[in-house]
Parts: sequence; structure tokens; C-alpha cells
Amino acid sequence: TQLLEQSPQFLSIQEGENLTVYCNSSSVFSSLQWYRQEPGEGPVLLVTVVTGGEVKKLKRLTFQFGDARKDSSLHITAAQTGDTGLYLCAGGKAAGNKLTFGGGTRVLVKP
Amino acid sequence: NAGVTQTPKFRILKIGQSMTLQCTQDMNHNYMYWYRQDPGMGLKLIYYSVGAGITDKGEVPNGYNVSRSTTEDFPLRLELAAPSQTSVYFCASSSSGQISGANVLTFGAGSRLTVL
Repeated sequence: TQLLEQSPQFLSIQEGENLTVYCNSSSVFSSLQWYRQEPGEGPVLLVTVVTGGEVKKLKRLTFQFGDARKDSSLHITAAQTGDTGLYLCAGGKAAGNKLTFGGGTRVLVKP
Repeated sequence: NAGVTQTPKFRILKIGQSMTLQCTQDMNHNYMYWYRQDPGMGLKLIYYSVGAGITDKGEVPNGYNVSRSTTEDFPLRLELAAPSQTSVYFCASSSSGQISGANVLTFGAGSRLTVL
């Protein structure tokens, strides 16, 4: 059983469309991170959110941390083919140094 | 700056063979981690280390061993390879407290292991 559930598992859209990926848990996290992973490579950090209700924007990507710090979303506006990849959320607890990863959302942006 | 380097990138093992996946980082990070990623899935923590000489189990440690004799190196040992260990293995490191106490990981490129 995944402590962090991501949905959907797979998303295929046309270039220019918008998409949202969700990361949900019954546990409270002190921080929530989003990583993107491309084939044959390790995950690369996109953003870290640490405050309930926090919204961060990174160009066309908008990240939100739920008020209760149990969930997060990633919204991509006007997706480009370069956004294709596996998106992973990861939750951290205040005590300890381990991150718990969600199962990932595979995004395919078609030209 | 090399970051986190893993070797080998690919390996095929027969059932019952042993091997060591190597991981080294040049960022002077205290924390190091080994994850496995099965096809289409997220990452599961195998073992981690908070500093030289200290290691601890993660979610899925069975069948693996680690050591941390130096800050830079964190090898992962498979003693008796089994088909269930076919996976992509990622090593990561971090310096805790970078962003408001959040633990930010830098990953290696991965080692793809197939056990036949």
C-alpha cells in the first residue's frame, strides 16, 4: 500500500493542453517535493513546498500544498513535448531523513 | 562537479550470483540512500545512511546489504540474486536542512539490473 497515492497513473495529452497531477495521503507531511524523471535518468527535483496552502509557480508549472499538508497538486499550463516524463511526489516527515515516494504519474505530451 | 555516480549502468546476473552496485558522491553530503524502482512504479527505499559508519534499513531491505566506510561511498551488495531483484537501482545523497528543513535528494543515473 502506497502511503502517497498519485493520480492519474498515466496521462496523454496534446501539446498546448493543460494537465493536473494529484498526490494524496492520509498522513501529514512536513514537506512535499515534486520530481521529474526522464527515461534512463534519475529523478530531478522541481520544487519543495513546506507550508500548508502554499502555492509555488515555476514558469508554466504550478504546485500547491494542501492546507492540511496531506495532499499536493501539480498543474501544467500549455504543455509542451519537453514536459513528457514521469512525475513523482515525495513526502518528508519532520522527524527522520527519509522521503516517501508516490507511485508516479507518467505524462506524455504529443506534438 | 560529478554529483552522484553509479556503476555499473547495466548488469545481467544469474540466480544465486552476487554483486555490488557502487555509488559515490563528491558533494560532501552526509546522507545517502539506495532506492529501487520497478517498471512504471515509484521509488522504494532499500537502505540509507546518515553518515560514515551508520546505516539503517528502509522499506525493502531483504536480500541486500550496505556499508558506509567513507562519506563519499555507499555500495549496495546483493548476496544471492533472485529474479525479484530485477529492477532499476538509484543511489541518492542529500545535505539535510537545505530548504526549511526539507530533505532534498540528488540522484544518480541509475543501475539497471536483470536477474535471470
